[in-house]
Amino acid sequence: EIVLTQSPGTLSLSPGERATLSCRASQSVSSSYLAWYQQKPGQAPRLLIYGASSRATGIPDRFSGSGSGTDFTLTISRLEPEDFAVYYCQQYGSSPYTFGQGTKLDIK
Amino acid sequence: QVQLVQSGAEVKKPGASVKVSCKASGYTLTSYYMHWVRQAPGQGLEWMGIINPNGGSTNYAQNFQGRVTMTRDTSTSTVYMELSSLRSEDTAVYYCARTRMYPVDYFDYWGQGTLVTVSS
Repeated sequence: EIVLTQSPGTLSLSPGERATLSCRASQSVSSSYLAWYQQKPGQAPRLLIYGASSRATGIPDRFSGSGSGTDFTLTISRLEPEDFAVYYCQQYGSSPYTFGQGTKLDIK
Repeated sequence: QVQLVQSGAEVKKPGASVKVSCKASGYTLTSYYMHWVRQAPGQGLEWMGIINPNGGSTNYAQNFQGRVTMTRDTSTSTVYMELSSLRSEDTAVYYCARTRMYPVDYFDYWGQGTLVTVSS
């Protein structure tokens, strides 16, 4: 099973700042089958990025993903108030699907 | 539009079973795989397994082998997840989520979640 480790656990930033979230895999994620999800309190996760770098439908271009192999990054270029949430990475290249433990992005 | 609508919250005693439903609309159930993912309070996401509504084949995560059963009713476009021998650690929100392929596909739509509370 592929273990995903996200860092930092919590990121405190202000609106307008740039956020960089990391996801490291215990082994190579095949064909960059890595996704990022955003989750707000009381809501289901929402797909942001798939294939490591492709934005899902309707996702603003301030969200971008990069990386390959074992190291992946989600970048939010200029934080909007609605971006403060928990972010999860997930690998779907092999079974079982696994998720990182999440990064909480909160307002400084 | 695609919707996955889950059944309501449940409270169960330890040792009991719970069955959660997920009704799909806006697409053909048998064209997508359906997964179940759970989230304990304040915790991360845990994949439980998958059912292929086209035929009913399943693949369960090792942590749930022997305790989880996923079924479907194509006549009502509904999939079900039953978890038995409940213990307090099973208290969580349970989500259904679909993928077009398996394994190499991401979750594009999720249900709203069903809170299952296990308490004596």
